[in-house]
Amino acid sequence: GAVVSQHPSWVICKSGTSVKIECRSLDFQATTMFWYRQFPKQSLMLMATSNEGSKATYEQGVEKDKFLINHASLTLSTLTVTSAHPEDSSFYICSARDGSGHGETQYFGPGTRLLVL
Amino acid sequence: GENVEQHPSTLSVQEGDSAVIKCTYSDSASNYFPWYKQELGKRPQLIIDIRSNVGEKKDQRIAVTLNKTAKHFSLHITETQPEDSAVYFCAASMGGGFKTIFGAGTRLFVKA
Repeated sequence: GAVVSQHPSWVICKSGTSVKIECRSLDFQATTMFWYRQFPKQSLMLMATSNEGSKATYEQGVEKDKFLINHASLTLSTLTVTSAHPEDSSFYICSARDGSGHGETQYFGPGTRLLVL
Repeated sequence: GENVEQHPSTLSVQEGDSAVIKCTYSDSASNYFPWYKQELGKRPQLIIDIRSNVGEKKDQRIAVTLNKTAKHFSLHITETQPEDSAVYFCAASMGGGFKTIFGAGTRLFVKA
C-alpha cells in the first residue's frame, strides 16, 4: 500500500529556533499534501493544503509566515516552524493524496512530535 | 465550508458487541467519506471508505452506510475485539485537490 514517511519523528528545540519537518510519499506521486496539527485527545486540525509547484493554501488562523510550507516535488513537502515558541509544541502530521485513480485517499505520515523549551 | 459532526465522543462496549459511530456533514457537494482509526501515538490509518454513488460498503467486521439525502454516514463494527480500541475519525471530502474535513473523533473502548 501507499507509504508516507515523515522526518524527524520527534524534535526538541529551544525557543526562537526554526524546525523543518519533511513529508515524503515513498511509492506514489502526491499531487496534494496536507499538514495537520493534533493536540492531545483532539481531532486533526488542518493547517494548510499544499499542491506541488504552487503556493500552499492556509486555513484561517494559521500564520503562513510562521509555518512555511514548500512542496517542491511530487514526493516531498516540508513544513518549517519558524521562531518556534512553547505554544507551538504539538504533534504535526502530514498526509499525501495519491494522484492516481480517484485521487481521494489520504495516507498519513507517522507524525512529528515537537517540543519547544 | 464543510462541517462534520461525529457522535458519540466516547463509546464503551463489551467484547463481542457491536459499535456504531455516526457522522453528519453539511456540504452536499462532498462525495467521498473515509474512516480512519488512530491508536495512541500512531498515525491515522484508513480502515474503510465510501463514495457517494453507493449506500453501503462492508469489509469483514466493518461496514459503512451513507444516506446522501440526510447527509448522514455511519461506521458499524461487529463482534468487537479489544484491539478495536482506538480513536475513530470520520471525514468528508470532495476529492481531488479539495481538503478533507475530519470529525472530532470517537474514543472506542472494548472491554474484555
